[in-house]
Amino acid sequence: AAGVIQSPRHLIKEKRETATLKCYPIPRHDTVYWYQQGPGQDPQFLISFYEKMQSDKGSIPDRFSAQQFSDYHSELNMSSLELGDSALYFCASSSRQGVTQYFGPGTRLTVL
Amino acid sequence: QKEVEQNSGPLSVPEGAIASLNCTYSDRGSQSFFWYRQYSGKSPELIMFIYSNGDKEDGRFTAQLNKASQYVSLLIRDSQPSDSATYLCAGRGRYGNNRLAFGKGNQVVVIP
Repeated sequence: AAGVIQSPRHLIKEKRETATLKCYPIPRHDTVYWYQQGPGQDPQFLISFYEKMQSDKGSIPDRFSAQQFSDYHSELNMSSLELGDSALYFCASSSRQGVTQYFGPGTRLTVL
Repeated sequence: QKEVEQNSGPLSVPEGAIASLNCTYSDRGSQSFFWYRQYSGKSPELIMFIYSNGDKEDGRFTAQLNKASQYVSLLIRDSQPSDSATYLCAGRGRYGNNRLAFGKGNQVVVIP
């Protein structure tokens, strides 16, 4: 079965640079969630989208923005990167009627 | 206080034994709960979800939910070395947003 696709899988950036992470949900899933997992930490909810509209917002820094496109893929844009942004970024998808979220393989962001 | 608490330290169990994991939650209105397994550096993988009081069994895994006491547990029977991972308990909110609040996770080590 098709799973959530994330790209890139690894990303290395310098401080103050920008990064864009992409997420392609499972086919027919219309809801996308973004989570950040720092080293040794549990995943923290950042933001979610349903039918291309922001549906919920968590602990997402103002330097980050995200959107969902007409084909339901989503992009997380991160600007003025800081060392503390180094983490695994997971995207998950679900159908609106679905209870469960399925996670993608993640993007490992390293900020030097 | 975290919404979902997993306070036990690493758990070592012999191969073939039962591993028992617990978590508690603070929001009495939380609707459903999930157990995810996460191998180091990988994405969370859904094991089970539960939303009704009582037990739910799936193969070697049994989830238990007690809403009165606000705790969720996971039993892993006939533990295998491949079960060695971090197990994350997550709760889903009550207000229609579907964000997951994770516990910090419990590391399980199955000793051959």
